[in-house]
Amino acid sequence: GQQVMQIPQYQHVQEGEDFTTYCNSSTTLSNIQWYKQRPGGHPVFLIQLVKSGEVKKQKRLTFQFGEAKKNSSLHITATQTTDVGTYFCAADSGGSNYKLTFGKGTLLTVNP
Amino acid sequence: DGGITQSPKYLFRKEGQNVTLSCEQNLNHDAMYWYRQDPGQGLRLIYYSQIVNDFQKGDIAEGYSVSREKKESFPLTVTSAQKNPTAFYLCASTRETFTGNTIYFGEGSWLTVV
Repeated sequence: GQQVMQIPQYQHVQEGEDFTTYCNSSTTLSNIQWYKQRPGGHPVFLIQLVKSGEVKKQKRLTFQFGEAKKNSSLHITATQTTDVGTYFCAADSGGSNYKLTFGKGTLLTVNP
Repeated sequence: DGGITQSPKYLFRKEGQNVTLSCEQNLNHDAMYWYRQDPGQGLRLIYYSQIVNDFQKGDIAEGYSVSREKKESFPLTVTSAQKNPTAFYLCASTRETFTGNTIYFGEGSWLTVV
């Protein structure tokens, strides 16, 4: 079945440093979504990538979808303490039997 | 405001007991899902339902049961057959069952076996 590998599992940075998390799928994806879960909270949708090679930006966050539509990355520039949380990718392999396969997430902690 | 309501937020269960977690949505979404979250394990799909009176097993359905008698409601029962039920449970929904839909999550329910 669908497998999604997300690395790293943990990342601790100093405030102002950059951060990147990577997501790799064993199969070609229809689209990939990214979610953020604050400590003690629930996952919240950030963005969806659909096109091969797509790059989207949200302020300090940059999301990329690979050319082969099998991998994706989330990069945060100049982290802030408000960026703390777990970032999940969610892979959609397409079709009408809709369900997402989530990566295990990357827990980001930021030292002020 | 529209959203997904899960209750209770915290629940303690004695070994051998069944417990039911409630999930209600007023988003008029067709599809609903139950995920389990353990530390370092991400989100794992337990059951999902695409329409009323129909549901399918996810990746870790053993020891769980669900029902979908109303569009708005998708309760999850954690049975005594679930050997390691202590976890954070998330209910979610999507507008349609087709690809590309965003998942909306409830605030979750913490279940602890004592």
